[in-house]
Amino acid sequence: DQQVKQNSPSLSVQEGRISILNCDYTNSMFDYFLWYKKYPAEGPTFLISISSIKDKNEDGRFTVFLNKSAKHLSLHIVPSQPGDSAVYFCAAIEYGNKLVFGAGTILRVKS
Amino acid sequence: IAGITQAPTSQILAAGRRMTLRCTQDMRHNAMYWYRQDLGLGLRLIHYSNTAGTTGKGEVPDGYSVSRANTDDFPLTLASAVPSQTSVYFCASSERGTASPLHFGNGTRLTVT
Repeated sequence: DQQVKQNSPSLSVQEGRISILNCDYTNSMFDYFLWYKKYPAEGPTFLISISSIKDKNEDGRFTVFLNKSAKHLSLHIVPSQPGDSAVYFCAAIEYGNKLVFGAGTILRVKS
Repeated sequence: IAGITQAPTSQILAAGRRMTLRCTQDMRHNAMYWYRQDLGLGLRLIHYSNTAGTTGKGEVPDGYSVSRANTDDFPLTLASAVPSQTSVYFCASSERGTASPLHFGNGTRLTVT
């Protein structure tokens, strides 16, 4: 049973608009969350993270929101650019344990 | 450029054969990891090493073994490959275990026939 779920396999967005990628988790002991971005034929790269003591973290065009009561986090990309087209993985950590990844969401930004 | 080097880039392997996937990092990171990526399942941890000389099992360790003789190298061995091990394999490292983000290699695409 997957502890980290990305229920949307893919998302298509127009250039300049907002992209919202969602992630749900089941383990209430997760205390740190990360988003990784992956281009074809490359390894994932770290994008942004958030601690469970926060509900928002922002880095340029990327913002991650955490709703602990709903066990839900989301990644907002504003404005979306064609270069943002990639697979986005949500991941979570329980202190001292290993990363648990979601299945990924393919984002396509159309120009 | 500092980072993680994986070899080979891709490989087709007959079932029952032995195969070692190589991984080398030049960032002097203590922790290293092996993941497999499968469609619909994301990245799953196979084995990890918190420091040279130690290894541990991840979520899907069966059929795989690792060693960590030094800081830089973390090879993954399939003793007798099976078709279900067809996957893309990623090696990763981190400076301070899960307290710091992982740096990934570009992966090895393995097909077991």
